[in-house]
Amino acid sequence: EPEVTQTPSHQVTQMGQEVILRCVPISNHLYFYWYRQILGQKVEFLVSFYNNEISEKSEIFDDQFSVERPDGSNFTLKIRSTKLEDSAMYFCASWRWGNYGYTFGSGTRLTVV
Amino acid sequence: GDSVTQMEGPVTLSEEAFLTINCTYTATGYPSLFWYVQYPGEGLQLLLKATKADDKGSNKGFEATYRKETTSFHLEKGSVQVSDSAVYFCALRATGNQFYFGTGTSLTVIP
Repeated sequence: EPEVTQTPSHQVTQMGQEVILRCVPISNHLYFYWYRQILGQKVEFLVSFYNNEISEKSEIFDDQFSVERPDGSNFTLKIRSTKLEDSAMYFCASWRWGNYGYTFGSGTRLTVV
Repeated sequence: GDSVTQMEGPVTLSEEAFLTINCTYTATGYPSLFWYVQYPGEGLQLLLKATKADDKGSNKGFEATYRKETTSFHLEKGSVQVSDSAVYFCALRATGNQFYFGTGTSLTVIP
């Protein structure tokens, strides 16, 4: 069964550093998403991406965040200058019309120290 | 705005016990409703879904019925197994295709 692949599975970074989280969506999916889950809290929507541009973003997704689809397969989330409160599990998801649910990746656990 | 409220956990049950995890929602329009499951160390997997009122989603012995009158989508299973131990998330998909998740309910099934 097709999968969404996320790398790395765990990343530790120092506060103030830039991080890039990587995702390879399912190849025939056209909509891409990032969500995050702070430990013990809800899974929260960050951003959706379609046709090479952001289609929707939440209040969490401020100027420190950016997304990119640099080639035909990868979808990245960049955090420019990490803060302690960015520590969370970040999930990538992809979707196409005709599917009712997203396909999620297994997540990247980001720890900011 | 749209939101999902889910029963607090953790829940601990003996094998073969009956499971209910409550979920209620607030939404404008007619959302689709989902249950996702997260096994330890893995991502979110779609467990079941319902797209309109009175629909029943089912998979692997789990069931949930979309109740518009009570704005609920409670997850049930008649006889849980140790392998069902996981975190369960109720979610709705709004008209903009964004998902709103509950906080998750951790289930532990003991032999």
